[in-house]
Amino acid sequence: SYVLTQPPSLSVAPGRTAIITCGGNKIGSSSVHWYQQRPGQAPVLVIYNDRDRPSGIPERVSGSKSGNTATLTISRVEAGDEADYYCQVWDTSRDHSYVFGTGTKVTV
Amino acid sequence: EVQLVGSGGGLVKPGGSLRLSCKASGFTFSAYSMNWLRQAPGKGLEWVSSISSTGSYIYYGDSVKGRFTISRDSVWNSLYLQMNRLRAEDTAVYFCARGDCSGGTCRLDFWGQGILVTVSS
Repeated sequence: SYVLTQPPSLSVAPGRTAIITCGGNKIGSSSVHWYQQRPGQAPVLVIYNDRDRPSGIPERVSGSKSGNTATLTISRVEAGDEADYYCQVWDTSRDHSYVFGTGTKVTV
Repeated sequence: EVQLVGSGGGLVKPGGSLRLSCKASGFTFSAYSMNWLRQAPGKGLEWVSSISSTGSYIYYGDSVKGRFTISRDSVWNSLYLQMNRLRAEDTAVYFCARGDCSGGTCRLDFWGQGILVTVSS
């Protein structure tokens, strides 16, 4: 099955920048979406279509893509950004499934 | 305000059955695909099943195919997941989520609060 690889963890100081990568051989031909999941809560969509932000998501959260790697960048990190982050693509080649990355735990 | 409120979880023995429900409000339920996902304790997100806006198209992940059945009721604005022949590895928090599909891709733009299902003897 299709795999999206993320670094397991990342530690960042308040006010600094967190950069989370998501790699996979279909990334280049797919739209990538990102979710934030705070402890004990449901995931929240923070980036869709590689770089678009849903309403309510601050501008310091951004997304980009180059080749087969997508990147979620969180600038001026705050304590409230401590969470797990997952990338996701939609795979039409197999049961129209939602494929998630392995997840990255960001510690502030 | 979009809301998805899940219910129906609990403790069940291996081989048993459980039915999860997800009540939707704040949007036109019949216009969106709906989905079930799950998260085993300490693990990542796993897609379980999807149903199209009309109910005409249904998809399942390999791990639940043949055991779980997804359905929806546009009168009650509700999504369901009938889970049969449950196994210990089905233990997880289950989420319902709305699918927003356009431009050849789908994302999950709103999620329910999560329903705990524990399969244990």
